[in-house]
Amino acid sequence: ILNVEQSPQSLHVQEGDSTNFTCSFPSSNFYALHWYRWETAKSPEALFVMTLNGDEKKKGRISATLNTKEGYSYLYIKGSQPEDSATYLCAFHMNYGGSQGNLIFGKGTKLSVKP
Amino acid sequence: ETGVTQTPRHLVMGMTNKKSLKCEQHLGHNAMYWYKQSAKKPLELMFVYSLEERVENNSVPSRFSPECPNSSHLFLHLHTLQPEDSALYLCASSQDVREGSPLHFGNGTRLTVT
Repeated sequence: ILNVEQSPQSLHVQEGDSTNFTCSFPSSNFYALHWYRWETAKSPEALFVMTLNGDEKKKGRISATLNTKEGYSYLYIKGSQPEDSATYLCAFHMNYGGSQGNLIFGKGTKLSVKP
Repeated sequence: ETGVTQTPRHLVMGMTNKKSLKCEQHLGHNAMYWYKQSAKKPLELMFVYSLEERVENNSVPSRFSPECPNSSHLFLHLHTLQPEDSALYLCASSQDVREGSPLHFGNGTRLTVT
């Protein structure tokens, strides 16, 4: 059974704090790693799709790194703001015929940023 | 209107009812998906369609029946559901199943089976 683990499960920080969380995934049959942000009462929104070992992507104050050999990705948020409060999902895209259908999600990290 | 639209947003149905969930995308994508999220579980893939053909069915019970009449529309027909089928059902689309393109999700239908 393939597992994608995210930690921590939840996180409470103060506005202005920087934070990071982890996504662990199988290190074999890697195709891509996705990060999504899911705000309450909204739809999940794609942040990054990462495919290369050592890849680092950035979008505003949010960045992500990827290590496919050891099977982990970190998501960093610099200077957290209340609007960053959301559940952050990662999804492992397995190389099994390249089908997008083999996208395995973690349970997410729920981030709460207090003003 | 752009993006992925799902209707209804909320649905309450009895175990003997038949209902349908609808999803529409205006992004010109070729692939559409149904996902299920139950409480405290990760998103689970149910069905994948590419160019209106079903390419994946993740051992979903037959009481869930998908339909994709064209690349812009996707339905999930529900009949004789069980209370444990109560969940959030999310539709998504992507450019293609074979590229590493991100999923674009709808807001979901919150289903309660009584």
